[in-house]
Amino acid sequence: DSGVTQTPKHLITATGQRVTLRCSPRSGDLSVYWYQQSLDQGLQFLIQYYNGEERAKGNILERFSAQQFPDLHSELNLSSLELGDSALYFCASKPGQGVGGYTFGSGTRLTVV
Amino acid sequence: ILNVEQSPQSLHVQEGDSTNFTCSFPSSNFYALHWYRWETAKSPEALFVMTLNGDEKKKGRISATLNTKEGYSYLYIKGSQPEDSATYLCASTGGGNKLTFGTGTQLKVEL
Repeated sequence: DSGVTQTPKHLITATGQRVTLRCSPRSGDLSVYWYQQSLDQGLQFLIQYYNGEERAKGNILERFSAQQFPDLHSELNLSSLELGDSALYFCASKPGQGVGGYTFGSGTRLTVV
Repeated sequence: ILNVEQSPQSLHVQEGDSTNFTCSFPSSNFYALHWYRWETAKSPEALFVMTLNGDEKKKGRISATLNTKEGYSYLYIKGSQPEDSATYLCASTGGGNKLTFGTGTQLKVEL
């Protein structure tokens, strides 16, 4: 157990639907990052939050949004889902914004049918 | 180099062999280079974070070197064991905070 908790582990939903993925960072970590891994692609950075504020944005679609709550957990909302959104979504956390390794959660496998 | 590139894409070695992989990254605006080990059905696990040119880090049989001027890093595994089988990811940060990952090198160590 890495200390980063992601729920649910698996999610199957239909096109056009909306889902919410949840991440609880390791205790004491203020930074949360979301990554997407699609088939045959590397981990793609989506968005970063630090202590409740958005700090960096990557290749995140407008249909996707995220937030970090006062208790530091984060949610990634994916709406108007398309087949191509099927992927493994990882959350990672780290204590601050400096140099240091990320601690990854075990991911949420999203399948859009 | 605009992206992080890793080679080879996959590698099969025999138990006891030593092996190495390459990670190439943009040398301009470099901040840090990360190596992660990712076993199937588990989450990526941090191996090393390196920032200085010429840096060398070691953890057991695994070591890594960094050349920030030419934009590459090598990961070495000495005396490979079946439990070393995993995908090895490298990622760089340049200025900002986001990690840009390579697509990984998939290592399979056979008995």
